Amino acid sequence: NAGVTQTPKFRILKIGQSMTLQCTQDMNHNYMYWYRQDPGMGLKLIYYSVGAGITDKGEVPNGYNVSRSTTEDFPLRLELAAPSQTSVYFCASSYRTTFRQNNQPQHFGDGTRLSIL
Amino acid sequence: AQSVAQPEDQVNVAEGNPLTVKCTYSVSGNPYLFWYVQYPNRGLQFLLKYITGDNLVKGSYGFEAEFNKSQTSFHLKKPSALVSDSALYFCAVRDNNAGNMLTFGGGTRLMVKP
Repeated sequence: NAGVTQTPKFRILKIGQSMTLQCTQDMNHNYMYWYRQDPGMGLKLIYYSVGAGITDKGEVPNGYNVSRSTTEDFPLRLELAAPSQTSVYFCASSYRTTFRQNNQPQHFGDGTRLSIL
Repeated sequence: AQSVAQPEDQVNVAEGNPLTVKCTYSVSGNPYLFWYVQYPNRGLQFLLKYITGDNLVKGSYGFEAEFNKSQTSFHLKKPSALVSDSALYFCAVRDNNAGNMLTFGGGTRLMVKP
């Protein structure tokens, strides 16, 4: 059982370039999330999705876009890379059945370390 | 708005001694509380959660946490620390009336020395 898989593991971009961070999960989870982790700052939610075709902004969505065409995949796109987007990006997923059962833990991938120079 | 505070950037303990990693939270409704651990170059791994019921929650690897509503705290504890417990620990909260966002604390690095 692979869980949450993120690719690539490392990437260096030049300012202004674009790229897509890939995330796929094989647990049939309906909820998926993208976070960024900066040193000493914990994790900040970028975007999340409650199911295929549905996405919503998190705390820090500017400069990013997402799509959710399938249950398994939730790619994150950077259109115009900026130095402020240098970070470690984590994808996560969880399973939720009803509104009052949104208490299941999130399962995380191992992250993508992105540097923008 | 919901928030989490982990007041200690680092906690140092000797192997075999008890450990405590502190967490306080703020929510408008009832909290769902979580502890995660992160090892180097890995994603976060779930340790335990409090949803309702007993204030003492037991989780993975011998860890437990005590929910204290009056002090709005959810401290992580372990009776006897292992060197392999050395890692970064995150507390997180979700307000059960505030939708889908989980708010994380800034993390506490636990160093267990032999």
